[in-house]
Formats: sequence, structure tokens, C-alpha cells
Amino acid sequence: QVQLQESGPGLVKPSQTLSLTCSVSGDSVTRGTFYWNWIRQPAGKGLEWIGRVYTSGTTNYNPSLKSRVSISLETSKNQFSLKLSSVTAADTALYYCARVVDSRGGYFDFWGQGILVTVSS
Amino acid sequence: SYELTQPPSVSVSPGQTATVTCFGDNLGDKFASWFQQKAGQSPALVIYHDTKRPSGIPERFSGSNSGNTATLTIRGTQDMDEADYYCQAWDRSTAVFGGGTRLTVL
Repeated sequence: QVQLQESGPGLVKPSQTLSLTCSVSGDSVTRGTFYWNWIRQPAGKGLEWIGRVYTSGTTNYNPSLKSRVSISLETSKNQFSLKLSSVTAADTALYYCARVVDSRGGYFDFWGQGILVTVSS
Repeated sequence: SYELTQPPSVSVSPGQTATVTCFGDNLGDKFASWFQQKAGQSPALVIYHDTKRPSGIPERFSGSNSGNTATLTIRGTQDMDEADYYCQAWDRSTAVFGGGTRLTVL
């Protein structure tokens, strides 16, 4: 069974960079049939896709966040990471990592439990 | 940018059929997925590729997608189905989620 687990600081100061890691077990981030994604959800609100990374290292980002986001693979640790720069209170949210099956109409089949990140001084 | 629109809330009586809609421009030309999110839990996939159910999802969940509307149907709705439901599709390598629908089983 595939499992994803988010980790990182739960509190980040405004203007700093948010850094999170997703640890994958039960699968390899180098297997070429999946994309690895980050999604966030502010309290009481809906889901917002942040971006994805493919096994080749190719990335796609939400246009609204593109200038501040970087997602990368850490293959030796079977992890992938998220960096979001110049954060503000609006970036406070529950952050999920998730796997997408690489097919036409790829679908999110496994999700992590989420990690709450608060942006505050 | 591409948008998916869902009704904020839907109510249904136990045992009846619940219908949750998702509207997007030419959505029928894309594949739609549906997620169930119960309070305090991560989203869970209930429908993918418009109509397919992942292993473990009850047969009472079904989906369709045509024209501008994708629909999630829950037949014989149970108390345990009370949750938020989100539709999702891809638009030019970008994942788009609907705003979510709160399903209340009265």
C-alpha cells in the first residue's frame, strides 16, 4: 500500500520560504507512471493545486503561484519537496502531497494526511 | 483560467439519491474525477475517468460527464456519505478543483 507523509515546519514567518517534504513508501518516486503533487487547503475552504513533478524532473505549476513555487524530487530519499517563497498570511493552509497516475486524465489516487502550516510573525 | 463550478450545498434524505454537479466549459472533453472529504480527513478518490470507481468504493457511487457538466450520483445515500465533495479536471497540465459541495444527509 502506498503511503505519503508530509513533514516540515508548522510555523513560517512572513516573507520567508515555506519548505515541506513528502516521504513516499510502498512505491518509488522514480517509477515513470506517476506524477507527484502538492495541494493546499485553507481552513474551511476548498482545494488548490500547487504543482507537480514527474520522474524526469519536469514540473508544472499553478499559474497563480508559479513565480514563488519550486517542486523537486529527492530520489535518494524517495521524497519530493515543495518550496514556496515570500509567504504571507494567505499561504496559511493544510498542505497535502498526493500521487497522480500518469494517464490521459490523470487521477489523484493516494494522498498524505496533510500538514498545517501557519504563516505568522 | 479554467474554472469548475459546484453548488455549495446539497441535501438528501437517507436512502434517496443525491446528485452533485460540476460545471466547466466543455468539461465533457476532459476527464473528471470526484473526491470525498470527511471532516478532519484527507480527500479520497471516489470516481475517476468520469465513471470509474476505485477499488473499495461502493457501487452506489457513480459518475457521468457530458457537455459542460460532470455529475456525481449517490444512490441509496447513507449517513456515512455526509461529506464535502470536490470535482477535478486537468486543463493544459494544470489541475483544477471545483469549489466543493457540502452533502448533508438529513
